[in-house]
Amino acid sequence: EIVLTQSPGTLSLSPGERATLSCRASQSVSTTYLAWYQQKPGQAPRLLIYGASSRATGIPDRFSGSGSGTDFTLTISRLEPEDFAVYYCQQYGNSPLTFGGGTKVDIK
Amino acid sequence: EVQLVESGGGLVQPGGSLRLSCSVSGFTFSSYAMHWVRQAPGKGLEYVSGISSNGGNTYFADSVKGRFTISRDNSKNTLHLQMSSLRADDTAVYYCVKGTGTTAIGRVFNSWGQGTLVTVSS
Repeated sequence: EIVLTQSPGTLSLSPGERATLSCRASQSVSTTYLAWYQQKPGQAPRLLIYGASSRATGIPDRFSGSGSGTDFTLTISRLEPEDFAVYYCQQYGNSPLTFGGGTKVDIK
Repeated sequence: EVQLVESGGGLVQPGGSLRLSCSVSGFTFSSYAMHWVRQAPGKGLEYVSGISSNGGNTYFADSVKGRFTISRDNSKNTLHLQMSSLRADDTAVYYCVKGTGTTAIGRVFNSWGQGTLVTVSS
C-alpha cells in the first residue's frame, strides 16, 4: 500500500498569501495518478488537480500542482476567502487507492 | 447534471449488517467505474471499495476486505455496498463517488455524493 503523508497538518495564512502544501509518498507514484481534492465543512470533497498538475474543470488558475516520484506540491498563489478548507492528496494508480491525511488551511 | 444520492445509512449494532445504495443520474452509469469512500467523524478520507464499469473487477481496502462487498445494477443505475460484521471503527459518512473511466484503477474521482452516515454502536 502506498502511504501518503501530507504536511503541514495545519497552515495558518491570511487572504492574499501564498499557500504551499506537501504530499510525500512512501514509494514512487506515477505523475499520471496523483490528485488533489478540496473539502469544506459539511461538504463532499471536490476534485482540484489530477495527473499531478492538470486543473479540473472550473478550477481557478491560482491553484497549481507540481512534483514527481515521491514528492508532490499543491500551490495556491493568492488565497481567496473561499480557499480556506482542508486539502487531500490521493494516488489512484495502485490498489488500494489511498489518500493523504489532509492539510487544513485556516485563516491567520 | 451528475447526481449521486446515497441511502441506507443509519444506526447498527456491532456485528450487524447494513446495505448502502447510491442512485445516480445525469450520466451513462454503465460506462464508469464507481467507488465508496468514507470519512469518520472529524477524520480524513479513507478509500473503501471500487468496481469497474461492467462489475468485472472489484477492489477493497484491507480494513474492509472479507466484510464488505460492492455491486452494481447497470439496468437500474444503482451502486451498492453490502457491509457485514460491522465494527465501531466503521462509523463514518460513506460517499458514493464516480470515476472518470471504465476502470477503477488509474482514473481520478470527479463527482461525489453528499454522503450517508453509518453509526455502529450498541
